[in-house]
Amino acid sequence: AQSVTQLDSQVPVFEEAPVELRCNYSSSVSVYLFWYVQYPNQGLQLLLKYLSGSTLVKGINGFEAEFNKSQTSFHLRKPSVHISDTAEYFCAVKKVTGGFKTIFGAGTRLFVKA
Amino acid sequence: SQTIHQWPATLVQPVGSPLSLECTVEGTSNPNLYWYRQAAGRGLQLLFYSVGIGQISSEVPQNLSASRPQDRQFILSSKKLLLSDSGFYLCAWERDTSPLHFGNGTRLTVT
Repeated sequence: AQSVTQLDSQVPVFEEAPVELRCNYSSSVSVYLFWYVQYPNQGLQLLLKYLSGSTLVKGINGFEAEFNKSQTSFHLRKPSVHISDTAEYFCAVKKVTGGFKTIFGAGTRLFVKA
Repeated sequence: SQTIHQWPATLVQPVGSPLSLECTVEGTSNPNLYWYRQAAGRGLQLLFYSVGIGQISSEVPQNLSASRPQDRQFILSSKKLLLSDSGFYLCAWERDTSPLHFGNGTRLTVT
């Protein structure tokens, strides 16, 4: 079975500062990796995904993530955050073969302060 | 392009009343369909998924049920709501290796 651990439940940061949201996963088989963002009272939107190839993945809104297979991590980063980045961020995994279910972490609330 | 519609956006229901939430997908065929629930301040809990018409898999035993009467229609139901059924319900679809595409959710409050 797969599992996802988001190491920080809340991350406060000042506007224009860099941020890293941490995600570790556990799986005995190969997985695809995703980061989603959720704004209040909305569904989740895909930020970026890792399917194969380059381990550095760039997504929307200036976010990027790096897949580290040896450390089973997929941390999300942004060099300079904006107030509008305040939201809940979810890391998720899905099995490459026969993966009907996407498993989500508990989420990290990013709060950007002026 | 593909779109997903979920309704209603908000719902307030008394304990013991029935429930029906509907989700439809446009612009694709044979999607995998999912119902998730998100309790306040918590992550997403997978409730049901479906890989085809009439095929429903339940992840968590509870008083909810799901049905897929058409290829792109997914319905979440309950005969009698409990207080613990309150939450934010999200429908989602995917195909092959694509990521999940979510609807805007239904906020259900059981009083």
